[in-house]
Amino acid sequence: DTEVTQTPKHLVMGMTNKKSLKCEQHMGHRAMYWYKQKAKKPPELMFVYSYEKLSINESVPSRFSPECPNSSLLNLHLHALQPEDSALYLCASSRLGLVPSNEQFFGPGTRLTVL
Amino acid sequence: GENVEQHPSTLSVQEGDSAVIKCTYSDSASNYFPWYKQELGKGPQLIIDIRSNVGEKKDQRIAVTLNKTAKHFSLHITETQPEDSAVYFCAASTPGRGSNYKLTFGKGTLLTVNP
Repeated sequence: DTEVTQTPKHLVMGMTNKKSLKCEQHMGHRAMYWYKQKAKKPPELMFVYSYEKLSINESVPSRFSPECPNSSLLNLHLHALQPEDSALYLCASSRLGLVPSNEQFFGPGTRLTVL
Repeated sequence: GENVEQHPSTLSVQEGDSAVIKCTYSDSASNYFPWYKQELGKGPQLIIDIRSNVGEKKDQRIAVTLNKTAKHFSLHITETQPEDSAVYFCAASTPGRGSNYKLTFGKGTLLTVNP
């Protein structure tokens, strides 16, 4: 298995809802990432987990809460989001934790719309 | 922090022609430079990368060059095909807090290959 999978593909939620995004990889990678991508913009790093521990939080608002239950799974819990949080949320993984030549492999993303 | 500039923002070529996309980076500590292709509705796909101890790398119709002195790297696509049409992102791997590294992306180039 050489891919990163993400569910759901699309998600529409209200500002009072609580939802979760899920990411899974079975490549034995020990680093996993959440990115946010707005239309016609590059991906913006949100969180990095290395060996199941949160290594980087790019000053993301607390309404986004990441979780790494094990080395294969990464969740992003969403609560009280704003319409401006609507974006494509990308998960990525890499073989080694946080080293320079670290190839990151991206999933297809979850298209999130906040009403 | 690192700043990656990418040019051009849009590029239109005829099928069979070559395409060149250029990026510059600001942090001399950056030492890994991947290129991603993102098709509409999909996640970014790693297509080629180069490490700072290498000046050029080629994979079939795709090549990347790196000039560390000038802090400049480029993507070359020869014999372009309509399926090469996509958004291309360059990135630089830079040291962050502690021993963490992260990718900084350029703003992207929309490549259109006309049949």
